[in-house]
Amino acid sequence: DSGVTQTPKHLITATGQRVTLRCSPRSGDLSVYWYQQSLDQGLQFLIQYYNGEERAKGNILERFSAQQFPDLHSELNLSSLELGDSALYFCASSFRQGYNEQFFGPGTRLTVL
Amino acid sequence: DQQVKQNSPSLSVQEGRISILNCDYTNSMFDYFLWYKKYPAEGPTFLISISSIKDKNEDGRFTVFLNKSAKHLSLHIVPSQPGDSAVYFCAASASQTGANNLFFGTGTRLTVIP
Repeated sequence: DSGVTQTPKHLITATGQRVTLRCSPRSGDLSVYWYQQSLDQGLQFLIQYYNGEERAKGNILERFSAQQFPDLHSELNLSSLELGDSALYFCASSFRQGYNEQFFGPGTRLTVL
Repeated sequence: DQQVKQNSPSLSVQEGRISILNCDYTNSMFDYFLWYKKYPAEGPTFLISISSIKDKNEDGRFTVFLNKSAKHLSLHIVPSQPGDSAVYFCAASASQTGANNLFFGTGTRLTVIP
């Protein structure tokens, strides 16, 4: 158990809908990262927050947004969903910037029908 | 553009022997490298890391070697155990860019045969 929690574990929805994925980082960790893993692919970085502020952006679509709240939990919002958005979405956390390992949650499997 | 590559999608090894997983990268800004292990339906689990100022880091049965001139790293598992069967991901970050998001390879599925 990494200490990072993600809810829900599974999510099935229809095209055009909007969903929110939630992540609680390990106790004391200030950075939260979101990654997407599509079928047979490696994890692709989406976005990072550090202590409530956006710190880095990867290949995140404009239909996707995220935020980190004062209690350090984070939410990833996916809107106007398309079939291709079906993937595993992982949240990771680390204490600080720099040479730090990231600890991953169990992921949310999103299926768009 | 895949900046971290794991060219072997799978590897089978007998129990007790050495497992060697390889990883190549293209971005010379990468200065921190990590290996993660992933079981089905779980998130990646951190295994071992190495900074670019070192060429070797060891933790129990796991050793990571870094060859900066070749932009290559490898993970050695000795001796291999059936519980090591999983997908292994190589990852890299470029801390000097101000962000430490990870760039992942596509993974190597290791099967340790009892």
